[in-house]
Amino acid sequence: DAGVTQSPTHLIKTRGQHVTLRCSPISGHKSVSWYQQVLGQGPQFIFQYYEKEERGRGNFPDRFSARQFPNYSSELNVNALLLGDSALYLCASSFGQEAYEQYFGPGTRLTVT
Amino acid sequence: AQTVTQSQPEMSVQEAETVTLSCTYDTSENNYYLFWYKQPPSRQMILVIRQEAYKQQNATENRFSVNFQKAAKSFSLKISDSQLGDTAMYFCAFMKPTGANSKLTFGKGITLSVRP
Repeated sequence: DAGVTQSPTHLIKTRGQHVTLRCSPISGHKSVSWYQQVLGQGPQFIFQYYEKEERGRGNFPDRFSARQFPNYSSELNVNALLLGDSALYLCASSFGQEAYEQYFGPGTRLTVT
Repeated sequence: AQTVTQSQPEMSVQEAETVTLSCTYDTSENNYYLFWYKQPPSRQMILVIRQEAYKQQNATENRFSVNFQKAAKSFSLKISDSQLGDTAMYFCAFMKPTGANSKLTFGKGITLSVRP
């Protein structure tokens, strides 16, 4: 079975631009969570979606948004990019809304110049 | 709010020896989960071991075991018979069951190097 997949692997953007990151969960998993991992730090929770509804939001500005599609895949959108948005963005999938078994994808490395 | 602290930024161990990674956390909750995740250079975060706070028995997974001290809010990971493939960043994480989501709160991580 395929694991969690994320695209693209790497991305370079300029300040002020917009970016869309994509995640496909493990087959059968209905929940997707997004995390931001700045170099040298632990991941920080951004969003969780379950059954296409937002179930949790971390302390991130409104420039960050996400959505989940009927096939449970998800997009993370970031508007008006800042240098500080440079990070590894991780997606994690789980079967349920409140699940302690979460499986992470390989991440998307975003560099903002 | 919950916090997770990993005060050792890096550690090194000889292959085949045992190493212990420390983690402390702060919460007012009585029911929660604690995790150790491994992140090798490939970046994929992999679950190593999980502990439910209501269980007194320490979790074990093959060469990996934890020392869970609930009163002290301490959750250390012991790796026995260290292997070169254990070289990675290790993150301690906390999850509070809310009935709403699966938010994980991570520590800053510790870089473990296994020497041949």
